Amino acid sequence: GAVVSQHPSWVICKSGTSVKIECRSLDFQATTMFWYRQFPKQSLMLMATSNEGSKATYEQGVEKDKFLINHASLTLSTLTVTSAHPEDSSFYICSARSTSGRLNEQFFGPGTRLTVL
Amino acid sequence: DAKTTQPPSMDCAEGRAANLPCNHSTISGNEYVYWYRQIHSQGPQYIIHGLKNNETNEMASLIITEDRKSSTLILPHATLRDTAVYYCIVRVALGGNTPLVFGKGTRLSVIA
Repeated sequence: GAVVSQHPSWVICKSGTSVKIECRSLDFQATTMFWYRQFPKQSLMLMATSNEGSKATYEQGVEKDKFLINHASLTLSTLTVTSAHPEDSSFYICSARSTSGRLNEQFFGPGTRLTVL
Repeated sequence: DAKTTQPPSMDCAEGRAANLPCNHSTISGNEYVYWYRQIHSQGPQYIIHGLKNNETNEMASLIITEDRKSSTLILPHATLRDTAVYYCIVRVALGGNTPLVFGKGTRLSVIA
């Protein structure tokens, strides 16, 4: 199946700093990527949908100025958590949609665990 | 997309079949049933999907009732590595930019 990678796999940062998470589709092109976050013992919550070359669409309640998403190429999307605070500590997961093969299936990255001190 | 209902947790003995139910009584004619699973601290993994016929692949079988209002995911010989949260999702297959929306899923514990 198609592979989606994320970097870093985990990160610890101080409160007030910014953190960038990369999501790459390794063997396919993804015009659409999705960002989710997951708090402990909860399900995945969709944060935003990003399309290559255009602005991301954010879900209700997600601050677009705090969670900056850039989808500059067909294989790379980045999520920057700006001025991170402890409540932003979470597991962030990206997903890329393949436009070929099995019915526009979504493939998921391994996730990035963010801890803000 | 139609809503799904799953039991919050299930146990299964190692080597036995694990049968995970899902109710989707409001499913529309063009919506597929998808199953994903998430092993602890990993991203979700695709398992199988179907429209109305039963489906089987190397990982699992999917049984969809004739009225399509419910389905069952079957792991024929569960192993300890199958311990995970299993999500049943109903959505239009060719949904453009529509993302997968996850419910609470079923936490399957495979016991030695």
